[in-house]
Amino acid sequence: NAGVMQNPRHLVRRRGQEARLRCSPMKGHSHVYWYRQLPEEGLKFMVYLQKENIIDESGMPKERFSAEFPKEGPSILRIQQVVRGDSAAYFCASSPLGSLAKNIQYFGAGTRLSVL
Amino acid sequence: DQQVKQNSPSLSVQEGRISILNCDYTNSMFDYFLWYKKYPAEGPTFLISISSIKDKNEDGRFTVFLNKSAKHLSLHIVPSQPGDSAVYFCAASALAGGTSYGKLTFGQGTILTVHP
Repeated sequence: NAGVMQNPRHLVRRRGQEARLRCSPMKGHSHVYWYRQLPEEGLKFMVYLQKENIIDESGMPKERFSAEFPKEGPSILRIQQVVRGDSAAYFCASSPLGSLAKNIQYFGAGTRLSVL
Repeated sequence: DQQVKQNSPSLSVQEGRISILNCDYTNSMFDYFLWYKKYPAEGPTFLISISSIKDKNEDGRFTVFLNKSAKHLSLHIVPSQPGDSAVYFCAASALAGGTSYGKLTFGQGTILTVHP
């Protein structure tokens, strides 16, 4: 009964390094979403992916951020040359194929990124 | 551009009484609404949802009311229990909006504290 799995739970990077955040959706789910939560704020949509396709990346910063969901393996959110402003909690969610009419998304526990 | 607003940052309620959490939205394209509950250091957990074709949905102690004309929804928890103490997020999506159907827009959250 595995839910959405995110790793690592905590990630510390120095300015200029790269951060890779991983997300394995729930079994049977083929839709993945990434959200970012800054302190004292709600979750902000970043990107929506299906297997091998980016469906909506309207919330992604134009530079340094990228996401993928390969045919095999987890979804990856990649942040290049991190800056202190990237420090946040990053949440992944998944939903099953065919549930878009209800669009209930199930969330992982998040990755807390700290940039020193 | 805060399209989903939760104007009360916090709410304190006595155990056994009713908790009422409020949410307002501005985007008339939103047609599906969800409430999530979040404990510290965990991901949001889905609670209850409502489609815009309904004005009420009930699940155990949780009831969500939707007033489309006022663009307002509320979550009622009765009776409230100490274990309900958490941050509650309202979220909305536009299922009929074509490419935006995968995206949830969240409010800032309301911290609910239920005192024994």
